[in-house]
Amino acid sequence: AQSVTQLGSHVSVSEGALVLLRCNYSSSVPPYLFWYVQYPNQGLQLLLKYTTGATLVKGINGFEAEFKKSETSFHLTKPSAHMSDAAEYFCAVSFSGGYQKVTFGTGTKLQVIP
Amino acid sequence: DAGVIQSPRHEVTEMGQEVTLRCKPISGHNSLFWYRQTMMRGLELLIYFNNNVPIDDSGMPEDRFSAKMPNASFSTLKIQPSEPRDSAVYFCASRRTGSYNSPLHFGNGTRLTVT
Repeated sequence: AQSVTQLGSHVSVSEGALVLLRCNYSSSVPPYLFWYVQYPNQGLQLLLKYTTGATLVKGINGFEAEFKKSETSFHLTKPSAHMSDAAEYFCAVSFSGGYQKVTFGTGTKLQVIP
Repeated sequence: DAGVIQSPRHEVTEMGQEVTLRCKPISGHNSLFWYRQTMMRGLELLIYFNNNVPIDDSGMPEDRFSAKMPNASFSTLKIQPSEPRDSAVYFCASRRTGSYNSPLHFGNGTRLTVT
Protein backbone atom coordinates (compact mmCIF):
# COMPACT_ATOMS: atom_id res chain seq x y z
CA ALA A 1 0.00 0.00 0.00
CA GLN A 2 1.19 3.48 -0.77
CA SER A 3 1.99 5.78 2.13
CA VAL A 4 3.60 9.10 2.88
CA THR A 5 5.34 10.20 6.06
CA GLN A 6 6.02 13.80 6.94
CA LEU A 7 8.54 14.29 9.71
CA GLY A 8 7.66 17.09 12.09
CA SER A 9 4.12 18.36 12.48
CA HIS A 10 5.44 21.85 13.29
CA VAL A 11 8.53 23.61 11.95
CA SER A 12 9.68 27.09 12.93
CA VAL A 13 12.23 29.11 10.99
CA SER A 14 13.40 32.69 11.12
CA GLU A 15 12.57 35.02 8.27
CA GLY A 16 15.33 34.71 5.67
CA ALA A 17 16.42 31.27 6.86
CA LEU A 18 16.35 28.02 4.91
CA VAL A 19 13.08 26.11 4.88
CA LEU A 20 13.30 22.30 4.86
CA LEU A 21 10.17 20.18 5.14
CA ARG A 22 10.66 16.43 5.03
CA CYS A 23 8.63 13.81 3.18
CA ASN A 24 9.29 10.10 2.72
CA TYR A 25 7.16 7.67 0.79
CA SER A 26 6.83 3.93 0.53
CA SER A 27 6.15 2.32 -2.80
CA SER A 28 6.91 -0.73 -4.87
CA VAL A 29 6.29 1.12 -8.14
CA PRO A 30 7.42 4.53 -9.41
CA PRO A 31 5.47 7.22 -7.60
CA TYR A 32 4.06 10.56 -8.62
CA LEU A 33 4.77 13.03 -5.82
CA PHE A 34 3.18 16.34 -4.95
CA TRP A 35 3.49 19.15 -2.44
CA TYR A 36 0.44 21.19 -1.56
CA VAL A 37 0.11 24.30 0.60
CA GLN A 38 -2.90 25.29 2.68
CA TYR A 39 -3.40 28.83 3.92
CA PRO A 40 -5.88 29.49 6.74
CA ASN A 41 -9.53 29.01 5.76
CA GLN A 42 -8.62 27.85 2.26
CA GLY A 43 -8.36 24.61 0.36
CA LEU A 44 -5.08 23.00 -0.65
CA GLN A 45 -3.16 24.45 -3.58
CA LEU A 46 -0.53 22.70 -5.66
CA LEU A 47 3.04 23.89 -5.02
CA LEU A 48 4.89 21.48 -7.27
CA LYS A 49 4.86 17.92 -8.59
CA TYR A 50 7.28 15.23 -9.66
CA THR A 51 6.33 12.81 -12.41
CA THR A 52 9.30 11.58 -14.41
CA GLY A 53 12.52 13.07 -15.72
CA ALA A 54 14.40 15.75 -13.83
CA THR A 55 14.57 14.92 -10.16
CA LEU A 56 14.81 18.55 -9.01
CA VAL A 57 11.42 20.15 -9.37
CA LYS A 58 10.74 23.86 -9.08
CA GLY A 59 7.41 25.16 -7.92
CA ILE A 60 5.67 28.40 -7.14
CA ASN A 61 6.81 30.98 -4.59
CA GLY A 62 10.46 29.91 -4.79
CA PHE A 63 9.95 26.40 -3.47
CA GLU A 64 11.64 23.35 -4.90
CA ALA A 65 11.85 19.64 -4.10
CA GLU A 66 14.21 16.87 -5.04
CA PHE A 67 13.14 13.30 -5.71
CA LYS A 68 15.69 10.85 -4.31
CA LYS A 69 14.76 7.30 -5.18
CA SER A 70 17.54 5.75 -3.09
CA GLU A 71 16.24 7.55 -0.01
CA THR A 72 12.53 7.35 -0.96
CA SER A 73 12.35 11.04 -0.16
CA PHE A 74 10.85 14.18 -1.64
CA HIS A 75 11.86 16.99 0.70
CA LEU A 76 10.63 20.54 0.13
CA THR A 77 13.06 23.45 0.40
CA LYS A 78 13.19 27.20 0.01
CA PRO A 79 16.46 29.12 0.42
CA SER A 80 14.99 32.10 2.25
CA ALA A 81 11.74 32.04 4.23
CA HIS A 82 9.24 34.86 3.92
CA MET A 83 6.51 35.73 6.37
CA SER A 84 3.92 34.87 3.72
CA ASP A 85 5.20 31.27 3.66
CA ALA A 86 3.53 30.57 7.00
CA ALA A 87 1.01 27.86 6.19
CA GLU A 88 0.48 24.12 6.37
CA TYR A 89 2.25 21.96 3.81
CA PHE A 90 1.16 18.52 2.67
CA CYS A 91 3.12 15.90 0.77
CA ALA A 92 1.06 13.52 -1.38
CA VAL A 93 1.68 10.45 -3.52
CA SER A 94 -0.12 8.80 -6.38
CA PHE A 95 0.66 5.84 -8.60
CA SER A 96 -0.04 4.80 -12.16
CA GLY A 97 -1.96 1.70 -11.18
CA GLY A 98 -5.36 1.34 -9.65
CA TYR A 99 -7.91 4.12 -9.55
CA GLN A 100 -5.54 7.04 -9.15
CA LYS A 101 -6.01 7.33 -5.42
CA VAL A 102 -4.04 10.19 -3.87
CA THR A 103 -2.63 9.67 -0.40
CA PHE A 104 -1.70 12.67 1.75
CA GLY A 105 0.76 12.99 4.58
CA THR A 106 -0.32 14.38 7.94
CA GLY A 107 0.93 17.88 7.15
CA THR A 108 3.60 20.21 8.53
CA LYS A 109 2.73 23.63 9.87
CA LEU A 110 5.41 26.15 9.04
CA GLN A 111 5.86 29.12 11.35
CA VAL A 112 8.05 32.00 10.20
CA ILE A 113 9.50 34.13 12.97
CA PRO A 114 10.26 37.77 12.15
CA ASP B 1 -11.85 28.19 -15.01
CA ALA B 2 -14.07 28.78 -11.99
CA GLY B 3 -12.37 26.18 -9.85
CA VAL B 4 -14.08 23.66 -7.60
CA ILE B 5 -17.13 25.24 -5.99
CA GLN B 6 -18.43 24.09 -2.63
CA SER B 7 -21.51 25.20 -0.75
CA PRO B 8 -22.25 26.24 1.87
CA ARG B 9 -18.98 27.68 3.21
CA HIS B 10 -20.22 27.37 6.77
CA GLU B 11 -22.91 25.17 8.25
CA VAL B 12 -24.06 25.16 11.86
CA THR B 13 -26.64 22.59 12.84
CA GLU B 14 -27.95 20.74 15.85
CA MET B 15 -27.25 17.14 16.61
CA GLY B 16 -29.68 14.82 14.86
CA GLN B 17 -30.31 17.09 11.90
CA GLU B 18 -29.58 16.17 8.31
CA VAL B 19 -26.71 17.99 6.61
CA THR B 20 -26.06 18.15 2.87
CA LEU B 21 -22.81 19.47 1.44
CA ARG B 22 -22.54 20.29 -2.24
CA CYS B 23 -19.74 20.31 -4.77
CA LYS B 24 -19.35 21.35 -8.38
CA PRO B 25 -16.09 20.03 -9.88
CA ILE B 26 -14.07 21.71 -12.59
CA SER B 27 -15.55 21.11 -16.03
CA GLY B 28 -13.76 18.25 -17.77
CA HIS B 29 -12.55 16.68 -14.54
CA ASN B 30 -14.07 13.25 -14.13
CA SER B 31 -12.56 12.17 -10.82
CA LEU B 32 -14.05 13.67 -7.67
CA PHE B 33 -12.90 13.25 -4.09
CA TRP B 34 -14.42 14.12 -0.70
CA TYR B 35 -12.02 14.74 2.19
CA ARG B 36 -12.55 15.59 5.84
CA GLN B 37 -10.03 17.63 7.81
CA THR B 38 -9.82 17.80 11.60
CA MET B 39 -7.10 18.77 14.03
CA MET B 40 -7.00 15.28 15.49
CA ARG B 41 -7.08 13.16 12.34
CA GLY B 42 -5.72 15.48 9.67
CA LEU B 43 -6.89 15.08 6.08
CA GLU B 44 -8.94 11.92 5.53
CA LEU B 45 -10.23 10.63 2.21
CA LEU B 46 -13.90 9.74 2.59
CA ILE B 47 -14.88 8.63 -0.89
CA TYR B 48 -13.94 9.13 -4.50
CA PHE B 49 -15.76 8.85 -7.79
CA ASN B 50 -14.51 8.14 -11.28
CA ASN B 51 -16.88 9.01 -14.13
CA ASN B 52 -19.67 9.48 -11.56
CA VAL B 53 -19.21 5.96 -10.16
CA PRO B 54 -18.11 5.50 -6.53
CA ILE B 55 -14.78 3.67 -6.62
CA ASP B 56 -13.69 3.57 -3.00
CA ASP B 57 -15.90 4.50 -0.05
CA SER B 58 -13.84 2.72 2.58
CA GLY B 59 -13.14 6.05 4.26
CA MET B 60 -16.78 6.83 4.94
CA PRO B 61 -16.92 6.64 8.72
CA GLU B 62 -20.43 5.26 9.22
CA ASP B 63 -23.70 4.52 7.53
CA ARG B 64 -24.81 7.98 8.56
CA PHE B 65 -22.60 9.27 5.74
CA SER B 66 -23.62 8.93 2.10
CA ALA B 67 -22.37 10.51 -1.12
CA LYS B 68 -23.82 10.75 -4.59
CA MET B 69 -22.71 12.00 -7.96
CA PRO B 70 -25.78 12.09 -10.21
CA ASN B 71 -23.88 13.74 -13.07
CA ALA B 72 -20.44 14.98 -14.01
CA SER B 73 -21.01 18.46 -12.63
CA PHE B 74 -22.49 17.83 -9.20
CA SER B 75 -21.90 15.79 -6.08
CA THR B 76 -23.38 15.75 -2.59
CA LEU B 77 -22.20 14.46 0.76
CA LYS B 78 -24.99 13.84 3.24
CA ILE B 79 -24.84 13.18 6.96
CA GLN B 80 -28.01 11.89 8.60
CA PRO B 81 -28.29 12.14 11.54
CA SER B 82 -25.42 14.49 12.32
CA GLU B 83 -23.39 14.24 15.54
CA PRO B 84 -21.00 16.68 17.26
CA ARG B 85 -18.02 14.50 16.30
CA ASP B 86 -18.82 15.17 12.63
CA SER B 87 -17.68 18.77 13.13
CA ALA B 88 -14.84 19.33 10.66
CA VAL B 89 -13.95 21.02 7.40
CA TYR B 90 -15.10 19.01 4.42
CA PHE B 91 -13.25 19.45 1.13
CA CYS B 92 -14.19 18.44 -2.35
CA ALA B 93 -11.47 18.03 -4.98
CA SER B 94 -11.48 17.10 -8.65
CA ARG B 95 -8.94 15.82 -11.10
CA ARG B 96 -8.66 14.93 -14.76
CA THR B 97 -8.77 11.17 -15.21
CA GLY B 98 -6.33 9.46 -17.52
CA SER B 99 -3.27 11.34 -16.34
CA TYR B 100 -1.88 9.90 -13.14
CA ASN B 101 0.29 12.90 -12.49
CA SER B 102 -2.49 15.43 -12.76
CA PRO B 103 -2.94 17.28 -9.48
CA LEU B 104 -6.05 17.57 -7.39
CA HIS B 105 -7.90 20.88 -7.43
CA PHE B 106 -9.54 21.67 -4.11
CA GLY B 107 -12.54 23.77 -3.23
CA ASN B 108 -12.42 26.15 -0.27
CA GLY B 109 -14.25 23.68 1.94
CA THR B 110 -17.36 23.63 4.08
CA ARG B 111 -16.84 24.21 7.78
CA LEU B 112 -19.44 22.09 9.59
CA THR B 113 -20.26 22.65 13.24
CA VAL B 114 -22.69 20.27 14.92
CA THR B 115 -23.87 21.38 18.36
